[in-house]
Amino acid sequence: ETGVTQTPRHLVMGMTNKKSLKCEQHLGHNAMYWYKQSAKKPLELMFVYSLEERVENNSVPSRFSPECPNSSHLFLHLHTLQPEDSALYLCASSQDLLVGYTFGSGTRLTVV
Amino acid sequence: QKEVEQNSGPLSVPEGAIASLNCTYSDRGSQSFFWYRQYSGKSPELIMSIYSNGDKEDGRFTAQLNKASQYVSLLIRDSQPSDSATYLCAVNGGWGVGGAQKLVFGQGTRLTINP
Repeated sequence: ETGVTQTPRHLVMGMTNKKSLKCEQHLGHNAMYWYKQSAKKPLELMFVYSLEERVENNSVPSRFSPECPNSSHLFLHLHTLQPEDSALYLCASSQDLLVGYTFGSGTRLTVV
Repeated sequence: QKEVEQNSGPLSVPEGAIASLNCTYSDRGSQSFFWYRQYSGKSPELIMSIYSNGDKEDGRFTAQLNKASQYVSLLIRDSQPSDSATYLCAVNGGWGVGGAQKLVFGQGTRLTINP
């Protein structure tokens, strides 16, 4: 148990589907993040939330839509994805500038 | 574009030897530096953080920071097969809002420890 829980662990979806990824942190942190990890590429920051407000949107396509209803929960809503969106999606949380992130176990997404 | 560069490897080290992993970064304003370990199919796990020039030791791990040369390194002493993983270098670009921070990651170095 890492303190950051992501569901589902694996997801296969068609290009016309709508699905959501869920992240929950039990650490009392005030910031949460979505990262994308593709093969042979560095982790790409997608969204940052601080105290439930979005503070960074890293030029992510609108087919990805984040939601942060409270400081413990973060969602990533997916619709009309492309095959190149297949990747590992990682949620993370943090409390302090001097302390690194705690990552969740990730959702392995495959778009068919 | 703030960048973090790592040799992607693979780096192969015999068991019991010292593994040396290096990372360079482009943003001179960077304040915090982190090493993450990622086993295949798993998520990254924080193993070391360093903020000041010099060395920081934690068990078999030593992080080294040289801000003038803009590099960070990780040494693993007495390497074990269980250390075989991808090691990610991450750098905080000095950006923070309400405790949130933006970490920029290198692509990772794949390390294999041979028994």
